[in-house]
Amino acid sequence: GESVGLHLPTLSVQEGDNSIINCAYSNSASDYFIWYKQESGKGPQFIIDIRSNMDKRQGQRVTVLLNKTVKHLSLQIAATQPGDSAVYFCAENTWGGGNKLTFGTGTQLKVEL
Amino acid sequence: GAVVSQHPSWVICKSGTSVKIECRSLDFQATTMFWYRQFPKQSLMLMATSNEGSKATYEQGVEKDKFLINHASLTLSTLTVTSAHPEDSSFYICSARAPGLAGRSYNEQFFGPGTRLTVL
Repeated sequence: GESVGLHLPTLSVQEGDNSIINCAYSNSASDYFIWYKQESGKGPQFIIDIRSNMDKRQGQRVTVLLNKTVKHLSLQIAATQPGDSAVYFCAENTWGGGNKLTFGTGTQLKVEL
Repeated sequence: GAVVSQHPSWVICKSGTSVKIECRSLDFQATTMFWYRQFPKQSLMLMATSNEGSKATYEQGVEKDKFLINHASLTLSTLTVTSAHPEDSSFYICSARAPGLAGRSYNEQFFGPGTRLTVL
């Protein structure tokens, strides 16, 4: 869905712990989902993607889970490191909606030493 | 691969002037480019979609006469903010899509580093 707030949800984790960032998407017709990482003053950086015909995909230290029944997406980061501190956005692509991305609200991840 | 650049990275201008931001795909040809705007602590909001050689498609609420988009080649799109005002101050981000790029998803967008616009 579209972001309307002025406050980003924040997730604080200890270095070395696992992080789970959640996202509720809006369109049941969305066919492709992406997680982006954005550091302050920079553009979004691709982390991992998943198609709607899958429910799980793993990358290096990251896993994305997709639950189409409840329109929920999650990003799991294993052994969180200080360099993982950033804002994380989920985005959904809807083919019928002009094949464009709609970004979620975003979650600020803070890694504490 | 799949690098997108933006120029300038930041710009400060006076109210009433126009500012042009460039978005370039450096190592691939982009059939479609997108322009987003991001206010502090908010998400990216799509402004418009542009295809090479055709008019841009603007999202609802975005003034096409104020935000002029030109996509003259497969590697360059420009966004011109005309008669800029302080409320136009924002972080402008472009992205490019290249269906068929080896090893990448058909729908994947490659993002530029963003341009910080401050209007005084």
